[in-house]
Parts: sequence; structure tokens; C-alpha cells
Amino acid sequence: SQQGEEDPQALSIQEGENATMNCSYKTSINNLQWYRQNSGRGLVHLILIRSNEREKHSGRLRVTLDTSKKSSSLLITASRAADTASYFCATIRTGTASKLTFGTGTRLQVTL
Amino acid sequence: GAGVSQSPSNKVTEKGKDVELRCDPISGHTALYWYRQSLGQGLEFLIYFQGNSAPDKSGLPSDRFSAERTGGSVSTLTIQRTQQEDSAVYLCASSPGLAFRDTQYFGPGTRLTVL
Repeated sequence: SQQGEEDPQALSIQEGENATMNCSYKTSINNLQWYRQNSGRGLVHLILIRSNEREKHSGRLRVTLDTSKKSSSLLITASRAADTASYFCATIRTGTASKLTFGTGTRLQVTL
Repeated sequence: GAGVSQSPSNKVTEKGKDVELRCDPISGHTALYWYRQSLGQGLEFLIYFQGNSAPDKSGLPSDRFSAERTGGSVSTLTIQRTQQEDSAVYLCASSPGLAFRDTQYFGPGTRLTVL
């Protein structure tokens, strides 16, 4: 079963705008990761945030984690057409070793 | 070195036939994972190998699904007596094997179509 639910399911913005995607999960976690998927095939790891961290940055990406609300957000600043993809959050639940549990994804469309 | 590779990239089969999907992890990675992604859905965990430990098979949807990992490297996912609902993209990932600290590196996937 899916652990995470992304919100929104689909997002369309213009190049240069910021995109924010949210992820909620149900159980306690060791860490939360965000992945990008182009064209329904291979996933690319974007960023990992541990359960004791609240915010993390990587280039144009900013991830926040609120363990009290069991939620995370991914912000992509100054979006580009190349950012068009599906974005998934994935969690490693406490006590389940390395098994990732994925959310349902947000489909981001960045137009020129 | 090279990333995770999977073969074939596409597989079309008839209902009832058996299929084998192959995954070559990144050299030196001790952990290997199989996931399934149905059309428009998130990824569903299938099975996880870590070194010489017994695999975590908790995600396999039925006994028609099995996987092996030979010599701690290459893995094969076998689906017997395929059904139309098995149609999906099957993704393999590997990681260095440091438990929950690791990023998982994904292959390009095998798109399975069962007619």
C-alpha cells in the first residue's frame, strides 16, 4: 500500500515560477526522499532529509520536513522546462531497513 | 562506474507465459531492490536483497512472482503464468547497503506488456 500521498496530483506552471509539491505519510520514518521520474521510466534521486532534520537545500531545491504533521514539501525555485517530470516522495519507515515506500506522485508541467 | 542496467527494456508476452527480467546493479552495491509501477501509479515495493541475508519478499503480490540474486550481483525477477494485471514497468534499484542511510540508484526499467 502507498505510504505517501502527494499533493497536488498535477501542477502546471510557467518557466521561472516556483513549484511546490507536498507529501504526507502515515507512519514514523527514518528518512524521506524525493525522486524525479521522466517519461515513466528511471527514477533519479533528488534529495534525502533525515527524520531529525527540518529543512535541506540542494541547488534550486528546498525540502522541508515536519514530523509532527507527517508531511514534507519540495520547492523548486525558478523552474525550467527541463523540470517537467513526475516527482515522488518516498519514505523509509522506522524498522523496515532500506525498503522505500513511495507516494503516488505529482506530475509537474513547466511551460515556456 | 556504470549505473544500474536492466534488460530487456521492453517485453511483450502472451497471457500464461513465463517471463524473466534481469537487473545488473552498480558494482559493489550490496543491496538490490525490485519495484513495480503500474500506469500512472507510484512505485510498489516487491523484494529486497541485502548481502547474504534472506531476502525481504514481503512485497511480492503472489506466488507467481519470484526473484533470485546470484553471487551477490545480478538479479532475475521471474513471473510465471503472466496475467494482464502484471503489465507494468518493473524497476530495479541498488544501493551501497548502509541500511536506511542510502540513496537508491534506479535502472531504466523493463516495460512488461501482457496481452
